[in-house]
Amino acid sequence: DGGITQSPKYLFRKEGQNVTLSCEQNLNHDAMYWYRQDPGQGLRLIYYSQIVNDFQKGDIAEGYSVSREKKESFPLTVTSAQKNPTAFYLCASSTRTAGYEQYFGPGTRLTVT
Amino acid sequence: QQQVKQSPQSLIVQKGGIPIINCAYENTAFDYFPWYQQFPGKGPALLIAIRPDVSEKKEGRFTISFNKSAKQFSLHIMDSQPGDSATYFCAAGGGQAGTALIFGKGTTLSVSS
Repeated sequence: DGGITQSPKYLFRKEGQNVTLSCEQNLNHDAMYWYRQDPGQGLRLIYYSQIVNDFQKGDIAEGYSVSREKKESFPLTVTSAQKNPTAFYLCASSTRTAGYEQYFGPGTRLTVT
Repeated sequence: QQQVKQSPQSLIVQKGGIPIINCAYENTAFDYFPWYQQFPGKGPALLIAIRPDVSEKKEGRFTISFNKSAKQFSLHIMDSQPGDSATYFCAAGGGQAGTALIFGKGTTLSVSS
């Protein structure tokens, strides 16, 4: 079964705690992405990575960190510095960054109280 | 220059109607224009995409119309069904390696039976 998996589906954390969201793909895609989705805001890019051990900030990178140690994995850490972390987080991948089909995972809903 | 403006924000049509969702972009370097469909609590799914060398593309009941000179593109859903009720996102990208897709803010479509 090829695709993108995100875990867990739902995540609850207390304010002040860091939390890491998992994203794995077995599509052999080079590029991976993290988006945040809030009602009425569309999809906002947090970070993306074109190759292993390299990543770039998106529009809303503050309070987040990522790593890309393996081609198939791109975990996102939501740090305590992120002021409004409660959101739906989506991971995606594509063959390359520019002009290629981007496929999304099922998402992780993070709630911080 | 990097924005993609999508309208309307929401749309209600009767079963069998033809909803039309419009998007406008500014960056003439974009050369890839996909549409995504998202159901509540799920990740977006790639629906159909077009490149600027054609003015129209059809896949089943979904059609993209593309106007390069106006920098606009639209999604038409023929014979809409209640199962088409979802949020639709347009996006634009390509043209330069190392750039990610820019998404519109989404249109929530409701098809009544």
